[in-house]
Amino acid sequence: AQSVTQLDSQVPVFEEAPVELRCNYSSSVSVYLFWYVQYPNQGLQLLLKYLSGSTLVKGINGFEAEFNKSQTSFHLRKPSVHISDTAEYFCAVTELKTSYDKVIFGPGTSLSVIP
Amino acid sequence: EAGVTQSPTHLIKTRGQQATLRCSPISGHTSVYWYQQALGLGLQFLLWYDEGEERNRGNFPPRFSGRQFPNYSSELNVNALELEDSALYLCASSRTEVEAFFGQGTRLTVV
Repeated sequence: AQSVTQLDSQVPVFEEAPVELRCNYSSSVSVYLFWYVQYPNQGLQLLLKYLSGSTLVKGINGFEAEFNKSQTSFHLRKPSVHISDTAEYFCAVTELKTSYDKVIFGPGTSLSVIP
Repeated sequence: EAGVTQSPTHLIKTRGQQATLRCSPISGHTSVYWYQQALGLGLQFLLWYDEGEERNRGNFPPRFSGRQFPNYSSELNVNALELEDSALYLCASSRTEVEAFFGQGTRLTVV
């Protein structure tokens, strides 16, 4: 069975500073990996996903993530954050070629951008 | 293209009552997933419906149930409400295994 750890429950960062949100997963098989964002009182929106191929994945809103198989990590990065990036961020994992109900979500990281 | 829509946005019920939550998927999507997002507990998978059938359910008691209609919309019913059922309930729809689109959720408060 898979599991996902997001080591930082809260990350404060100043506007225009870079940010990294950490995600580690555990799995005995190959996986798909996702990052979602949830703005206050909203549902989840997909930022990016890793299915195969290049380990550097670019997503929406200037975010990118790097899949590191040896370290079982999928950290999310943005070189310069904006106030509007304040939100909850969820990392998620699932086995290859399985249904979406098997996606396991991490506990979330609350990103607060300080003006 | 309209996204996933959920209704109502907010729902307040008394302990012991029943709650009904509704979800309309994106046009062309046949799968609907329900999740519970309770404070401090993250996103927990509740139910999966596809082509009108329940395909899987998460680790929730039987008082959580639902159905999917011929137009693929779905309804989640929670019977005998308990205080700990207070949460944001999210619906998602998909037509592939690797991506689902989420609605804005229904905030259920049990008092």
